[in-house]
Amino acid sequence: GENVEQHPSTLSVQEGDSAVIKCTYSDSASNYFPWYKQELGKGPQLIIDIRSNVGEKKDQRIAVTLNKTAKHFSLHITETQPEDSAVYFCAAYNFGNEKLTFGTGTRLTIIP
Amino acid sequence: EAGVVQSPRYKIIEKKQPVAFWCNPISGHNTLYWYLQNLGQGPELLIRYENEEAVDDSQLPKDRFSAERLKGVDSTLKIQPAELGDSAVYLCASSQGSYNEQFFGPGTRLTVL
Repeated sequence: GENVEQHPSTLSVQEGDSAVIKCTYSDSASNYFPWYKQELGKGPQLIIDIRSNVGEKKDQRIAVTLNKTAKHFSLHITETQPEDSAVYFCAAYNFGNEKLTFGTGTRLTIIP
Repeated sequence: EAGVVQSPRYKIIEKKQPVAFWCNPISGHNTLYWYLQNLGQGPELLIRYENEEAVDDSQLPKDRFSAERLKGVDSTLKIQPAELGDSAVYLCASSQGSYNEQFFGPGTRLTVL
């Protein structure tokens, strides 16, 4: 089955700086890669996603990149704000077996 | 529009007791998921329903866990008997078909003493 590794497990950045979270996946059949933000006491919420036929996608301060050859994908948050503090999960979806596999999460803390 | 509703939000029980969690998906979402989230980990799928049919329950520990989705809307996840290792957050999610975005509820935090 799919295995998704996520790094780092914790990340602290000064407000206004950028944050980068990296993930690798094992199953070359995975073709959709969503990123979720989970705040305390809430369920994960989709913030951005990318499909395997696209290398990069940007939405305001958030961007995601995908390297299918290396099976790497990354989340980039620029101009970080205190409300960006949360746990972020990457995930890989295989349209063939319809399974969504999550990474282990990154706790991002924005230091004011 | 209301999101995915789960109840209870918190549950504390003694080991060997039964427990049930309830989920009401977003209206019109035919696909429903139950996930287990251990502390410091990502969600792991327990079971997926397409309407009232469980199409993927390969990760559901069937000796003690059961689930149902009568009439293809609300769903209940049950554990009987609960064990200490079952302490976790149980998340419900729904989507309009399995290929579309999954919307998560707030989860039920279970503590087994």
